[in-house]
Amino acid sequence: AQKVTQAQTEISVVEKEDVTLDCVYETRDTTYYLFWYKQPPSGELVFLIRRNSFDEQNEISGRYSWNFQKSTSSFNFTITASQVVDSAVYFCALSRGSLAPGRRALTFGSGTRLQVQP
Amino acid sequence: EAGVAQSPRYKIIEKRQSVAFWCNPISGHATLYWYQQILGQGPKLLIQFQNNGVVDDSQLPKDRFSAERLKGVDSTLKIQPAKLEDSAVYLCASSPMGNDRGGVKTQYFGPGTRLLVL
Repeated sequence: AQKVTQAQTEISVVEKEDVTLDCVYETRDTTYYLFWYKQPPSGELVFLIRRNSFDEQNEISGRYSWNFQKSTSSFNFTITASQVVDSAVYFCALSRGSLAPGRRALTFGSGTRLQVQP
Repeated sequence: EAGVAQSPRYKIIEKRQSVAFWCNPISGHATLYWYQQILGQGPKLLIQFQNNGVVDDSQLPKDRFSAERLKGVDSTLKIQPAKLEDSAVYLCASSPMGNDRGGVKTQYFGPGTRLLVL
């Protein structure tokens, strides 16, 4: 069975602080896909990044960076110099690679609520 | 490019009543998903369509929930009769026929319908 754990329920930081959101996953598949989504107060899930299990290169996009470590089954997300607009709920999700592409629905973690105070 | 559209945005009903939600995916997207997101939790897949066929409905409570995508474009999700525990946000997502780079489908989400059952 697949499982995604986001142990941090809520994080509060002051603007310009760096913050890391943790994600630990479980899967028996050797090929799988990891995602991060942002859910602002408006409710819409906004896609941030995907990562394939065979590509362990870390990625940086502006103030966002992702650290994928298969050895610890973790896919952590860091926001550098946080801003008030980063306040949202962030979800980590997992998709099975063993299934046909049309059947790869997402298994989500419970989310981490990030509050950035001015 | 227009995003995933959903209506209504909010709905309040009494238990045992019926309710229907509508979703129009991104133009050209063959795969459509309905997720249920209970407050404080991550979204959970209810049903997945590929064109107008059901790919996965294993987590759909079929005694009260039904969904259709008759022409392979827009979709409706119905609850009849509603229970208190159905109070949640119902998210619709879509993804294209082909895979993104790396062999994975990225899902794009609508704003959701927030349902409150009294």
